Amino acid sequence: QQPVQSPQAVILREGEDAVINCSSSKALYSVHWYRQKHGEAPVFLMILLKGGEQKGHEKISASFNEKKQQSSLYLTASQLSYSGTYFCGTPGGGGGSNYKLTFGKGTLLTVNP
Amino acid sequence: DADVTQTPRNRITKTGKRIMLECSQTKGHDRMYWYRQDPGLGLRLIYYSFDVKDINKGEISDGYSVSRQAQAKFSLSLESAIPNQTALYFCATSDPKAGTGGRNPYNEQFFGPGTRLTVL
Repeated sequence: QQPVQSPQAVILREGEDAVINCSSSKALYSVHWYRQKHGEAPVFLMILLKGGEQKGHEKISASFNEKKQQSSLYLTASQLSYSGTYFCGTPGGGGGSNYKLTFGKGTLLTVNP
Repeated sequence: DADVTQTPRNRITKTGKRIMLECSQTKGHDRMYWYRQDPGLGLRLIYYSFDVKDINKGEISDGYSVSRQAQAKFSLSLESAIPNQTALYFCATSDPKAGTGGRNPYNEQFFGPGTRLTVL
């Protein structure tokens, strides 16, 4: 099942904060986050694993609540370069393997000067 | 730099034509994926391959076929294109063996630049 992202879109002024949520109807072993800038390919941002391990991005943080089957991406003191569409991906492989992801529909983030 | 490339970058074709989209990578990754992106629908998995002899269907494989000619090449074919296959297509790679001890728990995916396909 496709994870559900909210909000669908958000508009910020530079320096403001934003939170993007991703929730799943099934148990999660990990959550992946990608960003796609306009006209470009998606680029890996962050992975959060069950048990708290994560590999992340310098200026963007995230949380992973296994019980609630959801993750949130925190963009603080947003910069113009943060603009793009953010996708969360949840694994669909057996045993929680990360090899096959199902992506949400995306959240369009626009940061204005 | 190790990279993922896709050809063609743009293609306009007519209904009923056979189309092949190609993906090549110099990353040395075993796993390759084909996704389709439509506005508002996110990225949907069409096919994925773990090695040359292992190919699997994704969420939306109907109307598509793939060929893994070598570790570095993964092609997507539309046997008889139809207008609702108009979309942006991405190839991606990943490597579960990278990292400490030959195991990469993160398995992040690296995407090619995409092919914009229009079927008239």
